[in-house]
Amino acid sequence: GDSVTQTEGQVALSEEDFLTIHCNYSASGYPTLFWYVQYPGEGPQLLFRASRDKEKGSSRGFEATYDKGTTSFHLRKASVQESDSAVYYCALTRLASSSFSKLVFGQGTSLSVVP
Amino acid sequence: DPKIIQKPKYLVAVTGSEKILICEQYLGHNAMYWYRQSAKKPLEFMFSYSYQKLMDNQTASSRFQPQSSKKNHLDLQITALKPDDSATYFCASSPDWDEQYFGPGTRLTVL
Repeated sequence: GDSVTQTEGQVALSEEDFLTIHCNYSASGYPTLFWYVQYPGEGPQLLFRASRDKEKGSSRGFEATYDKGTTSFHLRKASVQESDSAVYYCALTRLASSSFSKLVFGQGTSLSVVP
Repeated sequence: DPKIIQKPKYLVAVTGSEKILICEQYLGHNAMYWYRQSAKKPLEFMFSYSYQKLMDNQTASSRFQPQSSKKNHLDLQITALKPDDSATYFCASSPDWDEQYFGPGTRLTVL
């Protein structure tokens, strides 16, 4: 079945550091890829998505590029802030036989940014 | 105002009991979903509904039953509760098949 793998379980950075969270997926065809962010006590919030090879998604300084060749969608930010501390999830969806498809999530990466 | 309401926010139940988790969305979406997040597993898809019809069911147990009384409601009934059911349950909705918006969750603890 479809799957998403996030390499880092936890990431600890200082403010203004560069962030990379690795995401690789396994799915046939062209899944739509997402990054979600979850703050304590809240549900996941959509950061952005990408649907085609080489498409770049971005929001709030975060960005990721859909790479079908390497089946990756790595999250990057040039300069993190303390307010970016949260759990980040990579996810995919693929149109199934029904009209509405499930999201498949990675394990999540907990980002902690210290001043 | 919150667009997806889940009630209650916290729920404590005893083993063997039955509970209903409430979800209402005011985004005008036609599709609604349930996901589960436990300490042992990442966010895990349970059900999807479109126009009040079940589209996909990925739960192995019939103890979990979604109930849709209105287009913007999708409640989750859980019977014969077990400690392993302890998790946070998230309701989500979408206007189309891929971009889903999540509620704040109901945290269920089964003693």
